[in-house]
Amino acid sequence: KQEVTQIPAALSVPEGENLVLNCSFTDSAIYNLQWFRQDPGKGLTSLLLIQSSQREQTSGRLNASLDKSSGRSTLYIAASQPGDSATYLCAVRPQMDTGRRALTFGSGTRLQVQP
Amino acid sequence: DGGITQSPKYLFRKEGQNVTLSCEQNLNHDAMYWYRQDPGQGLRLIYYSQIVNDFQKGDIAEGYSVSREKKESFPLTVTSAQKNPTAFYLCASSMQAGRAGANVLTFGAGSRLTVL
Repeated sequence: KQEVTQIPAALSVPEGENLVLNCSFTDSAIYNLQWFRQDPGKGLTSLLLIQSSQREQTSGRLNASLDKSSGRSTLYIAASQPGDSATYLCAVRPQMDTGRRALTFGSGTRLQVQP
Repeated sequence: DGGITQSPKYLFRKEGQNVTLSCEQNLNHDAMYWYRQDPGQGLRLIYYSQIVNDFQKGDIAEGYSVSREKKESFPLTVTSAQKNPTAFYLCASSMQAGRAGANVLTFGAGSRLTVL
């Protein structure tokens, strides 16, 4: 059974710092990996999606990398801003030939960017 | 605008009562999902449906039931058999696996259920 772990569980940084969030998964037979943002009491917003054949994806100040063989992904946030404060979750989708077709989520990293 | 609508946003239930959470999407998505989120934890899959009139149990299906009579709707019933139902419930949808856009998972705003 796939397990997804995110470290750290919480992180507080001053505004302007670059930071890295970590995600690890136990089964490397994935189709893709997604990073989501969740604001308190709200739904999830997709940030970046990396296919299993890709190494990284970038969107603005966000860069996500994937090392499928080692079961790791990182989300890099450059020049952090108070508006980046949220919980960040990673999720993996299994390969297409498996019976399960739904994402498995990590428990998230709660980020607080201090002004 | 296309999207997913969950209702109600907040719901209070007495022990022993069944409640139904609504999830409606107008994105023409084939697949729909229900997740449960507890404080400080990630999302756990309750049920999912790849196509109308078909659904599969997720990791924590006990005490829950679903139906998928229409493509747009995937209601979740939290039954009295669910021992600890207080949680935040999230509905999501995507195109069917293998089709263009299948990777994109769209979430609703969530429903918070509290058992009194």
